[in-house]
Amino acid sequence: LAKTTQPISMDSYEGQEVNITCSHNNIATNDYITWYQQFPSQGPRFIIQGYKTKVTNEVASLFIPADRKSSTLSLPRVSLSDTAVYYCLVGSFTGGGNKLTFGTGTQLKVEL
Amino acid sequence: DSGVTQTPKHLITATGQRVTLRCSPRSGDLSVYWYQQSLDQGLQFLIQYYNGEERAKGNILERFSAQQFPDLHSELNLSSLELGDSALYFCASSVASAGSNEQFFGPGTRLTVL
Repeated sequence: LAKTTQPISMDSYEGQEVNITCSHNNIATNDYITWYQQFPSQGPRFIIQGYKTKVTNEVASLFIPADRKSSTLSLPRVSLSDTAVYYCLVGSFTGGGNKLTFGTGTQLKVEL
Repeated sequence: DSGVTQTPKHLITATGQRVTLRCSPRSGDLSVYWYQQSLDQGLQFLIQYYNGEERAKGNILERFSAQQFPDLHSELNLSSLELGDSALYFCASSVASAGSNEQFFGPGTRLTVL
């Protein structure tokens, strides 16, 4: 699985857009990029997954440039409840087995 | 609520003991995964089962074992417990064995070894 690098922490204010970038220079052709959110003492929650260009769902957008060596999770108009750790994961999960490798994640803190 | 249930919520035991953690996947999910989260190691994948068969193995200690039963629930057995085994243990489930990174995590079992 490709190694990922994310900022350790980020601070933001309510109502702002937050962009968290993840570097994955060794991403393989079959790899997908996935983001999870985790609140303290809770299990991680799937946010979004993409392969290339842009993916959008009801909670976030994922931007992936053409070279796919990085990706950016965009959270529009964050609120206090978005304070959590965000994990970027890269992997193909083919050939049987689907383990997720979590890095250290980005601690996002949203303030009033 | 992810639909994945785990019992017990908390477990306090002594070193050298053996415990069993239980997980029920979401209805319809065939894959079950176990993860360990400790302060110094982060979230680590332990093992995956798909429809009763072991499918992938991570950094699982030999003192730990797991199984998935015909009704698809899974149990993680931890034996000869050490202080360092204190952690949050998460179970996750997904429909397929591979091909998607979307897993649904349970609330976790907090294990404290004294």
